[in-house]
Amino acid sequence: AQTIHQWPVAEIKAVGSPLSLGCTIKGKSSPNLYWYWQATGGTLQQLFYSITVGQVESVVQLNLSASRPKDDQFILSTEKLLLSHSGFYLCAWSRQGGQDTQYFGPGTRLLVL
Amino acid sequence: GQQVKQSSPSLTVQEGGISILNCDYENDMFDYFAWYKKYPDNSPTLLISVRSNVDKREDGRLTVFLNKSGKHFSLHITASQPEDTAVYLCAAGQMQQGTGSKLSFGKGAKLTVSP
Repeated sequence: AQTIHQWPVAEIKAVGSPLSLGCTIKGKSSPNLYWYWQATGGTLQQLFYSITVGQVESVVQLNLSASRPKDDQFILSTEKLLLSHSGFYLCAWSRQGGQDTQYFGPGTRLLVL
Repeated sequence: GQQVKQSSPSLTVQEGGISILNCDYENDMFDYFAWYKKYPDNSPTLLISVRSNVDKREDGRLTVFLNKSGKHFSLHITASQPEDTAVYLCAAGQMQQGTGSKLSFGKGAKLTVSP
């Protein structure tokens, strides 16, 4: 069975500080991976997707970047956090090929002060 | 603009009744439609999904109806139970061979099933 982990579970960070959020999927080779973000009271928005190691496509610009250093790992980061980055960050996976359902990880809650 | 809209942010249904959740979308290229269930402080879990080549799909108490000409799909939950109380998110997108699938989500609708 596939499992998806996200770290950290929650984070409180200062404006202007760097951020790194991680996502790992086990039990699935060559998955498509996705990053989503939901502001409090807002809509879930797809930020990035990746279909293979080293390849990332941006969907929404939020002064964030993503990288896929390994087949099973997806990283979301920024060098300088903004207040508007607060929210709930979700990683998701789907089977290779893209024509399939997306399954979500447990999420990371971020508060920027 | 928002590509997927859930016009009713909340719905209350009596236990045993039918819950009907609605979703409208704008992009007529969308060919994949899904409903997710979300509890507070948890991530969404997939309930049911359909592709555009069908207009109805049943799975137990859940049925998705798709109206492509009206750019509308809905989720019907029969024999609603208190444990169905949650936020329901609709999602739609275009499944593209060889690339990541882009999903757009609605804002969610809070379903409350009262005993």
